Amino acid sequence: QITLKESGPTLVKPTQTLTLTCTFSGFSLSTSGVGVGWIRQPPGKALEWLALIYWDDDKRYSPSLKSRLTITKDTSKNQVVLTMTNMDPVDTATYYCAHRFGVQDAFDIWGQGTMVTVSS
Amino acid sequence: DIQMTQSPSSLSASVGDRVTITCQASQDISNYLNWYQQKPGKAPKLLIYDASNLETGVPSRFSGSGSGTDFTFTISSLQPEDIATYYCQQYDNLLRFGPGTKVDIK
Repeated sequence: QITLKESGPTLVKPTQTLTLTCTFSGFSLSTSGVGVGWIRQPPGKALEWLALIYWDDDKRYSPSLKSRLTITKDTSKNQVVLTMTNMDPVDTATYYCAHRFGVQDAFDIWGQGTMVTVSS
Repeated sequence: DIQMTQSPSSLSASVGDRVTITCQASQDISNYLNWYQQKPGKAPKLLIYDASNLETGVPSRFSGSGSGTDFTFTISSLQPEDIATYYCQQYDNLLRFGPGTKVDIK
């Protein structure tokens, strides 16, 4: 059974760096074809894809946020970490990590999400 | 950068109605399109992948079709538990979600 869970601060100040950790079980990020992505959703708004890391350490980023994002993996710990620099109140959102399905960039299993508020 | 649009942005239908949502990509994405359902306060759920393939365990009243730039998502007989927001997502060039379609019961 695949599960994912996001963890990190619930409140960050403007200009700070956000670090979120996705801890997963039921699969290995060293297995060919596997990936983990990050998606966020501001309150009452649509889903926004942020980043995706693959089993071979290939990484993809949303073009609009690429300069602020870094995604890394720790295969031994079954974790994926997302950092986002220079946080702003518009970055207030629920942040989800999700398991990439098969050879498609589809997310079949999602974490519960973690709400991050950016405020001074 | 591929842009995604969905229509309508919201709809109300009666139980048993056929519901259709369209998703349009700004350029040809072949069949690299997925559909998700998100209920209030919950994480999204994958329903359809590669435009028309039903994810395991998803009821057969859900279906998808299309290729290129124009895609359709259909609920053949709306049920009360289908109240949710539905998102398309392309993965031909990086990834992007559509703006969503909120489905309510009339």
